[in-house]
This record gives sequence, C-alpha cells and structure tokens, in this order.
Amino acid sequence: GESVGLHLPTLSVQEGDNSIINCAYSNSASDYFIWYKQESGKGPQFIIDIRSNMDKRQGQRVTVLLNKTVKHLSLQIAATQPGDSAVYFCAEISLRNYGGSQGNLIFGKGTKLSVKP
Amino acid sequence: DSGVTQTPKHLITATGQRVTLRCSPRSGDLSVYWYQQSLDQGLQFLIQYYNGEERAKGNILERFSAQQFPDLHSELNLSSLELGDSALYFCASSVGRLAGEEQYFGPGTRLTVT
Repeated sequence: GESVGLHLPTLSVQEGDNSIINCAYSNSASDYFIWYKQESGKGPQFIIDIRSNMDKRQGQRVTVLLNKTVKHLSLQIAATQPGDSAVYFCAEISLRNYGGSQGNLIFGKGTKLSVKP
Repeated sequence: DSGVTQTPKHLITATGQRVTLRCSPRSGDLSVYWYQQSLDQGLQFLIQYYNGEERAKGNILERFSAQQFPDLHSELNLSSLELGDSALYFCASSVGRLAGEEQYFGPGTRLTVT
C-alpha cells in the first residue's frame, strides 16, 4: 500500500510524552465527531468518538475533548509510543441531516504524528 | 486487518478510460461506503449503500457510479477518467445503516490516471 503524501501539519513528540492533536470543525450543526488514525499504506482506523452532548470522553490512552463554543476538537494520546506514528483525522457529521446534502461524514485535513524514540 | 477487502490494490489507466473498483465488506456488515483520498482534497465521502439500496450521497461526480449486489459486495465505477481522478479510493463497511456506527476501512485502491 501507499500513503497519500498530503502536505500535512506535523506534530513531533518524544516517546513517552503526551500528544495533543487539534481539529477545528466547520458545521455548528454537527452532533457527532470521530477521530481516525491512518498508518502508512492502510485505511483509516476508528479511534474514539464523541457526541455533541458531551465535552469529554476517554478511551484506552486516548481522550477526546469537544469545545462547541469555538468548534474545536482535540485528541490527547497519553504516553505516546512509536506505534502511534500515523496521520490522525477528525470527522464530523450531523446525524439529523444524514443522507441529505449536509449530512455526510466530513473529514478534516489531518495531522501527521511522528514519535521519536 | 479490518476484514474489508478491496481489489485491485493498484490501477494505472489512461485518461478517458473506465475502471471498476471492487469491495467486499466485513462478514455481517450491510453498509458499504466509498471514499476518495486525494492530495488536495483529503478524504471525501462519495456514497453509501445499505443492503443493496443507496443510502447517502456525498461529493460523487456524475461520471462515477456505484452499486451493491445481493451478496453485499460493492463496485465503484469511474468513467471518462481525468488526471484529477488519481487518488486512493477506500471502501468501508458497518453493520447497520446509521452514519454514527463504527466504519471499518479496507486497504484502498490506488488509481493512477496518466
């Protein structure tokens, strides 16, 4: 497989440090948000999701924070490992409008996370 | 391995031609989604099928069409190809028809139009 090679913002962190990846979403009507991880040569992989009635959700080593006031989403990865190196995308959707012109899953441009050993 | 398979892995063709990309969803999944990932546009939703019927449509060009067969595999047909159609095409599947369900992505098909 091959990677897309987008000119993406890059976050470089030391192994063991915490990583914070940010995303600004566009649609104030979006009520569901998802973070995906895409490793080189692979398809995107679901990490964690959050609904708009929440402002924080925790998973295994990952936390997603949602600030609806400023339409901002962040993904925090604790104790970052070399295996976390990938491109991370946020995606938004309005579940009420799904199927119509405004209701599709919309992806952000992505951030490349590089973990230094 | 997500359980979603896509063929072919790579495809090189000329402008004006037509190609068909194939996707087999995970066992038990009824929804299939198609996405295009290009250098300038990022990952874009094209279309979703649920149990053989079109469920949602995104930024899919009129030159592109898709269908889902009774065995639930799906095909994406791209015709009158242009240089700008060069991209990675991903298929994803989920159990049901709701957008909020977890989608499992295949490894993608790399299309190069020369």
